[in-house]
Amino acid sequence: KNQVEQSPQSLIILEGKNCTLQCNYTVSPFSNLRWYKQDTGRGPVSLTIMTFSENTKSNGRYTATLDADTKQSSLHITASQLSDSASYICVVSASGPTDSWGKLQFGAGTQVVVTP
Amino acid sequence: SAVISQKPSRDICQRGTSLTIQCQVDSQVTMMFWYRQQPGQSLTLIATANQGSEATYESGFVIDKFPISRPNLTFSTLTVSNMSPEDSSIYLCSVRSGGGMVYEQYFGPGTRLTVT
Repeated sequence: KNQVEQSPQSLIILEGKNCTLQCNYTVSPFSNLRWYKQDTGRGPVSLTIMTFSENTKSNGRYTATLDADTKQSSLHITASQLSDSASYICVVSASGPTDSWGKLQFGAGTQVVVTP
Repeated sequence: SAVISQKPSRDICQRGTSLTIQCQVDSQVTMMFWYRQQPGQSLTLIATANQGSEATYESGFVIDKFPISRPNLTFSTLTVSNMSPEDSSIYLCSVRSGGGMVYEQYFGPGTRLTVT
């Protein structure tokens, strides 16, 4: 079973609107959580990285939140643009000492389509 | 930051043949990774390639099928051997930059492989 679950699987939004993507994880012990943006035909690009002590981090119109108690994160996109059409991937890393130390656990991604 | 290039960007190969994918980084890095991304699925780590040592393979991946070279701190190759249609996927090179647990991890643009 994947230790990082994302929802929704896909969504379509109108240009200019806001949207929120969800990420639930079971990775333990927790080290950090990342959100990546992957455009079609490109590699993932980092948007935010949050550690246990951080509960919100912004990168332009992208704002990520983290609740380490409930093991949930969200990515909020404000005033969406056509260029925001991409897959958004939640990635969680475990701390040591475990077999998963430093390894990134990837969600399957949420495919966002922004329409004019 | 690290800029990663991969060759080829895509290829269509016949079953039973092999393909070598090249990964070039614009800076010296210790840790390089090879991932596979099948359609609609999470990224899966194939192996970790550190310069000067044998690659470390994840469960389900073996050296005979995915031999890796790491001749220096800026270059690596992944070979997909004796290909079958199940090997059709995107293969991504990735590098890690920075220390501690809050490191940056960068991804190449990927190589889209189709096996017929």
